[in-house]
Amino acid sequence: GAGVSQSPRYKVAKRGQDVALRCDPISGHVSLFWYQQALGQGPEFLTYFQNEAQLDKSGLPSDRFFAERPEGSVSTLKIQRTQQEDSAVYLCASSHLAGTGVQETQYFGPGTRLLVL
Amino acid sequence: QKEVEQDPGPLSVPEGAIVSLNCTYSNSAFQYFMWYRQYSRKGPELLMYTYSSGNKEDGRFTAQVDKSSKYISLFIRDSQPSDSATYLCAMSAQNSGGYQKVTFGTGTKLQVIP
Repeated sequence: GAGVSQSPRYKVAKRGQDVALRCDPISGHVSLFWYQQALGQGPEFLTYFQNEAQLDKSGLPSDRFFAERPEGSVSTLKIQRTQQEDSAVYLCASSHLAGTGVQETQYFGPGTRLLVL
Repeated sequence: QKEVEQDPGPLSVPEGAIVSLNCTYSNSAFQYFMWYRQYSRKGPELLMYTYSSGNKEDGRFTAQVDKSSKYISLFIRDSQPSDSATYLCAMSAQNSGGYQKVTFGTGTKLQVIP
């Protein structure tokens, strides 16, 4: 079966440009997470969806960042008016269950590498 | 101070060596302790996880958790060149939203020399 896929794999944007990053989770996975990974750092939590509901967006760095998952499957992370500090790898992960209080394995996509010039 | 501290390395060892990777943490609420492996330009993949203190072994890999010292370790026996990757420790605690929120270390880059 297919794993988590992300597109595009690489994106170069000019400062001030809007970008949209797509995540296709594993079919049937309830939970979906977005992370930001700066060079030489571990992934940092951005936001969490349970089906179509965005239950936690506490990690979004500013109001320029917006995520949605309207039908509870594919998710899009949008960054408006990109800045150089937004350059990073954006990782998406999905897991099967949600809200059980038990640690569910998160399956990661390959990431989208964003470079803002 | 970060909640999870991990030496970024790089760590270079000869093939066949025993590798020891470690993390410390400050949040007593962490319940699950994980190790992820990340190859260059790939997403992290889960290697092992443990719940609370103790040891867990899986093939050449052994994970140890000492909650009293807030210290976790991953040991790799008979290391292979294919083990060359970045190893991320990760920990999770129950979030108010009812899910386990994961916090990652910075990752340790490991190179196993043939």
